[in-house]
Amino acid sequence: DIQMTQSPSFLSATVGDRVTINCKASQNINKYLNWYQQKLGEAPKRLIYNTNSLQTGIPSRFSGSGSGTDYTLTISSLQPEDVATYFCLQHNSGPTFGAGTKLELK
Amino acid sequence: QVQLKESGPGLVQPSQTLSLTCTVSGFSLTSNSVHWVRQPPGKGLEWVGAIWSGGSTDYNSALKSRLSISRDTSKSQVFLKMNSLQTEDTAIYFCTRGGGFAYWGQGTLVTVSS
Repeated sequence: DIQMTQSPSFLSATVGDRVTINCKASQNINKYLNWYQQKLGEAPKRLIYNTNSLQTGIPSRFSGSGSGTDYTLTISSLQPEDVATYFCLQHNSGPTFGAGTKLELK
Repeated sequence: QVQLKESGPGLVQPSQTLSLTCTVSGFSLTSNSVHWVRQPPGKGLEWVGAIWSGGSTDYNSALKSRLSISRDTSKSQVFLKMNSLQTEDTAIYFCTRGGGFAYWGQGTLVTVSS
């Protein structure tokens, strides 16, 4: 099974900050990596698919990058509504999730 | 539009069997896979298993011995059955469409308790 190591597990940032969240796969996942935002009591919302494709309706301050085993979600300018937990999902082989990053405002 | 909705009992006794239904609309089960994912309270997401468009299934290796996923294409429904439930199985259970995992149900909370 492919393991996903997500970091950091907790992040505190100020409105306007550039924020990055990382996921590292235990083997090459060929860019089959999605990013999700989840707010309390809600289902995950897909932000980015296949590493760097922005989901329709998602603000352009969200972007993704990476290849091979290393992937990054970037929020270019943090907004108050971005407070949430973020997960990565690899769907190259037997989907597995990262453990999540809880993002809060400083 | 694409929709998925989970249903099932909110409370299950330990050692009993959980039965959940995912009712879908806006797409065909014979053209898309459906996956089950669960989330224990306050914790991360865990892939449970899937039924593929052709009807074959895959399961999380840690749950495989207790798990069965099936479907009724005429009713656009996917079923999850998990036996020998323990308190550690308490979680929100989501169904999601494969091929990108863009669409999710709202989830259903299952509590395992006597």
